[in-house]
Amino acid sequence: QQQVKQSPQSLIVQKGGISIINCAYENTAFDYFPWYQQFPGKGPALLIAIRPDVSEKKEGRFTISFNKSAKQFSLHIMDSQPGDSATYFCAASSGNTGKLIFGQGTTLQVKP
Amino acid sequence: DAGVTQSPTHLIKTRGQQVTLRCSPISGHKSVSWYQQVLGQGPQFIFQYYEKEERGRGNFPDRFSARQFPNYSSELNVNALLLGDSALYLCASSLIWGKETQYFGPGTRLLVL
Repeated sequence: QQQVKQSPQSLIVQKGGISIINCAYENTAFDYFPWYQQFPGKGPALLIAIRPDVSEKKEGRFTISFNKSAKQFSLHIMDSQPGDSATYFCAASSGNTGKLIFGQGTTLQVKP
Repeated sequence: DAGVTQSPTHLIKTRGQQVTLRCSPISGHKSVSWYQQVLGQGPQFIFQYYEKEERGRGNFPDRFSARQFPNYSSELNVNALLLGDSALYLCASSLIWGKETQYFGPGTRLLVL
């Protein structure tokens, strides 16, 4: 019940295209859902985050869509660029624990 | 502003040895969490400290321990190293404990031979 399942494992997108990464969870106590971007040899960097009281949040080219009833959330990267090539992790945490549960990661390659 | 800093950046140890990893949180942040990231996987939660008290522990053996100092920096200790402990160890800081955003450091790459 603590798992966060992420798909796809890898994704190849043409420059200018839309990248979509999906995550699903079981624990209904989760109430904070961040997305992190990680480049090789670096720590994860917070990209965007959402809480269950909204269904969508947009920051620049990055959008989180959240479906509470389906217990799913997704990251959309619009106008994907080669510089977006990285590994993306969804995560979730509940209440006041602060413990982040991460998905398995998606390796995104944006081809020029 | 300096982000989360970790030292050392890389470390090579042999099986059975002990290792200490260090983390300095973002200035003003009082909570530190530790995660282990094995190659090709997402980070796994190890510990969280807030105001020098342990507030959470993940599913790791007792060989793993940590502490937080009065200046909010933290150390992660791993005893009796195993080959499987080879990983990137990440420290994350947040303003307070709980729902606050966590900001990660660059990590310490540990290789156990």
